[in-house]
Amino acid sequence: DAKTTQPPSMDCAEGRAANLPCNHSTISGNEYVYWYRQIHSQGPQYIIHGLKNNETNEMASLIITEDRKSSTLILPHATLRDTAVYYCIVRPIYMEYGNKLVFGAGTILRVKS
Amino acid sequence: DAGITQSPRYKITETGRQVTLMCHQTWSHSYMFWYRQDLGHGLRLIYYSAAADITDKGEVPDGYVVSRSKTENFPLTLESATRSQTSVYFCASIRGSGANVLTFGAGSRLTVL
Repeated sequence: DAKTTQPPSMDCAEGRAANLPCNHSTISGNEYVYWYRQIHSQGPQYIIHGLKNNETNEMASLIITEDRKSSTLILPHATLRDTAVYYCIVRPIYMEYGNKLVFGAGTILRVKS
Repeated sequence: DAGITQSPRYKITETGRQVTLMCHQTWSHSYMFWYRQDLGHGLRLIYYSAAADITDKGEVPDGYVVSRSKTENFPLTLESATRSQTSVYFCASIRGSGANVLTFGAGSRLTVL
């Protein structure tokens, strides 16, 4: 079973910030939070990841709560091209035999003009 | 070419036929995964592999067989294809430790008639 839960869908106006939440209440101290997105039927693409601190790159920002039980992906100025399915997953820092990377259903983000 | 490649990209077959989907990665990543994605749904883990000759079941392994004789290759075989296995199949790989990215192939779209 996926270790994360996300809302099934969200809408966002073009040019506004899109804030996508993810709950990972059972995350352990040695697990990262990773975000991916999937446009149409392409392979999912990496967006950003974090362990404890907030992170920012050219695509997005990641805000992780102090207790690490939830996080929010922020697309600061959403465009129509950001319409996609967004997945958050948790994964161990050091992968070991038995570590499965299971994805949940993700959040469908619809950016509207 | 460097990266992760899947073949064939598109395949149409008939019920009862054996089909093999190939996955090849050039990074010597230790971990490899096979996911399926049905229309309008998220990714479901079929099988994964921690290293050559080490494989294990994911969420939906029934009807599939995998092998990993070489680190770079992770073929997925449908021994007797059924209509319910019509799906898009994604292969992915990741290095075992550190903040590394799970990288996906472009997908193989399989139709079972």
